[in-house]
Amino acid sequence: RKEVEQDPGPFNVPEGATVAFNCTYSNSASQSFFWYRQDCRKEPKLLMSVYSSGNEDGRFTAQLNRASQYISLLIRDSKLSDSATYLCVVTLDSNYQLIWGAGTKLIIKP
Amino acid sequence: NAGVTQTPKFQVLKTGQSMTLQCAQDMNHNSMYWYRQDPGMGLRLIYYSASEGTTDKGEVPNGYNVSRLNKREFSLRLESAAPSQTSVYFCASRDNQPQHFGDGTRLSIL
Repeated sequence: RKEVEQDPGPFNVPEGATVAFNCTYSNSASQSFFWYRQDCRKEPKLLMSVYSSGNEDGRFTAQLNRASQYISLLIRDSKLSDSATYLCVVTLDSNYQLIWGAGTKLIIKP
Repeated sequence: NAGVTQTPKFQVLKTGQSMTLQCAQDMNHNSMYWYRQDPGMGLRLIYYSASEGTTDKGEVPNGYNVSRLNKREFSLRLESAAPSQTSVYFCASRDNQPQHFGDGTRLSIL
């Protein structure tokens, strides 16, 4: 089993719709969680951190479920510019390594 | 602000050739990382350096060496390039925050 797993997609979603995807992690000692987005042939860029109580940044909402060991990302009122691959990242603060999911590809269609 | 700078951006090598990928950051971060990214595989850690003067193996270190030249610079060397090392290579840096990435180096081994 991979340490961090994501549905590779692609998720094909009409513009304006709401879309959500999850990321599961295997190590219960995981401490920090992040969502990154990566555009085609570009570097990953931080989208948002994920806090225990859940957090929102505009149209984006991230949540953490420690009991079931997953994080989620919800995008409301999706835009064409949201088309990208979304990567989840998990850290064990006892070391310096970050564990990356393989990403979920999202395609927003007009 | 430059952030994380990688050179070169593109390179084509013949099997058996050697080369060094350069990475420099100007954010005074302690930790630096080298990843490779292949289609459908996500980011895989090659080596990382938690602080100046230290380096550690990541998930896929075979065929690579690294040097943490100073706090700013972390280079990745391929001593004898193989076609399996064809990939996109990302350098990243971090302190007590999520990682910041360079633009990537697209490396092809023929």
